[in-house]
Amino acid sequence: GAVVSQHPSRVICKSGTSVKIECRSLDFQATTMFWYRQFPKQSLMLMATSNEGSKATYEQGVEKDKFLINHASLTLSTLTVTSAHPEDSSFYICSAPRIAGGYNEQFFGPGTRLTVL
Amino acid sequence: GENVEQHPSTLSVQEGDSAVIKCTYSDSASNYFPWYKQELGKRPQLIIDIRSNVGEKKDQRIAVTLNKTAKHFSLHITETQPEDSAVYFCAASGNTNAGKSTFGDGTTLTVKP
Repeated sequence: GAVVSQHPSRVICKSGTSVKIECRSLDFQATTMFWYRQFPKQSLMLMATSNEGSKATYEQGVEKDKFLINHASLTLSTLTVTSAHPEDSSFYICSAPRIAGGYNEQFFGPGTRLTVL
Repeated sequence: GENVEQHPSTLSVQEGDSAVIKCTYSDSASNYFPWYKQELGKRPQLIIDIRSNVGEKKDQRIAVTLNKTAKHFSLHITETQPEDSAVYFCAASGNTNAGKSTFGDGTTLTVKP
């Protein structure tokens, strides 16, 4: 299957700092990538759709200025949590779809555990 | 847009018993239905999937059935083992909407030894 990497896997930062998370599709091109946030014992919550070469599409209730997304190439999307606060602590996961034969399969990154002190 | 409902939210079974998790979807254009297993702190792992041109698929102890008319699909795990304990998510997607998948809320499966 296709491989999606995510970096860093874990980050601890002080309140008020910004944190950048990278998502890479290693062996296929992804014009679209998705960013999710997952709180303990909850489902994946889609935050935004990252679009290569254009603006990201944010889900309702997700602050655009808080969660900056850049999709600069066909293999890299970044999520920057700006001025992070303890309530931003969560597990962030990216995914990239690969459409084959008319079917859309999702490939997930390993996730990033963000802890804001 | 697509809406996926998953039941039950928690499921506890005795080792060796079967477990069944059910999902319904709303968009008739959805044509791909994967199931993921997620262990604590890790990414969702695809365990089985089914495409809309198939009614049933089996892989060892795991099977998935799809009823397109009723818009529901189910995950069946037989001879459950303690290592099957995890959170399971269903999802639905089509070949439009920029590749977006819609996930169910998850089922926490506990297999008691």
